Amino acid sequence: SAVISQKPSRDICQRGTSLTIQCQVDSQVTMMFWYRQQPGQSLTLIATANQGSEATYESGFVIDKFPISRPNLTFSTLTVSNMSPEDSSIYLCSVEGAWTDLQETQYFGPGTRLLVL
Amino acid sequence: SQQGEEDPQALSIQEGENATMNCSYKTSINNLQWYRQNSGRGLVHLILIRSNEREKHSGRLRVTLDTSKKSSSLLITASRAADTASYFCATDSSYKLIFGSGTRLLVRP
Repeated sequence: SAVISQKPSRDICQRGTSLTIQCQVDSQVTMMFWYRQQPGQSLTLIATANQGSEATYESGFVIDKFPISRPNLTFSTLTVSNMSPEDSSIYLCSVEGAWTDLQETQYFGPGTRLLVL
Repeated sequence: SQQGEEDPQALSIQEGENATMNCSYKTSINNLQWYRQNSGRGLVHLILIRSNEREKHSGRLRVTLDTSKKSSSLLITASRAADTASYFCATDSSYKLIFGSGTRLLVRP
C-alpha cells in the first residue's frame, strides 16, 4: 500500500480564517478523495480530487468553501475557507490506486484535526 | 447521506471473547469494506468483500455479506485489548465509499 502523509496533523484556528491541508502520497495514484469526520461521527465524502481538472463535490459541499487542488498524481490540497466552529473536524485524504489487485481499496492518511474557535 | 447503519453503536467485551458487528445498507454495491479507526486517527483497511462473495476470512476476522438482505457482519475472534477501536463498514457502489455510522468496540483486559 502507499504511504500517505498529511500536513498539518492538527491546528487551532480563529473563525473567519482559512486553512490549507496538504496530502502527499509516495507513489502515483489515480484517485484521491477528501473526507470530513465531525466529532463522534462517521466519515463523509467532501469531494474527489481530479488531476488536471476541477474537483467533483458531493451534495452539501461547494468549491467556494472547500477549494481543492490536484496539481499532479501524488499531491492534493484541501482548503477550509472562512472557518466557523462548525468546521471543527478531522479531515482525511484517501487514495485508490491500481498498484494491487484490490484497486477498489482506499487507503487513508493520518488525518488533520482542526479546531475552530 | 450515510448509506450504512451499524449496530451495535457500542460494544464492550472481555479479552478473549468474540465481537460481532453488523452493517446494513440501502442500495446495490460493488463491494463492502471494513475499516478500523483508533482514537480519531486515520483509518486502517481491514477487509474487502465483493458483491458476489458470501464470506471472507483474514486472520481473526470473518466477514459475511448477504446482498439479499443488504447486510454484512464482521466477527473478530479471540479479541485482544489492542482491538479496542471504532469499526466502520463502507459500501462502494461506484468509485465512492459511503461509510456507516460505526461501532465503538472496547475490549477489557
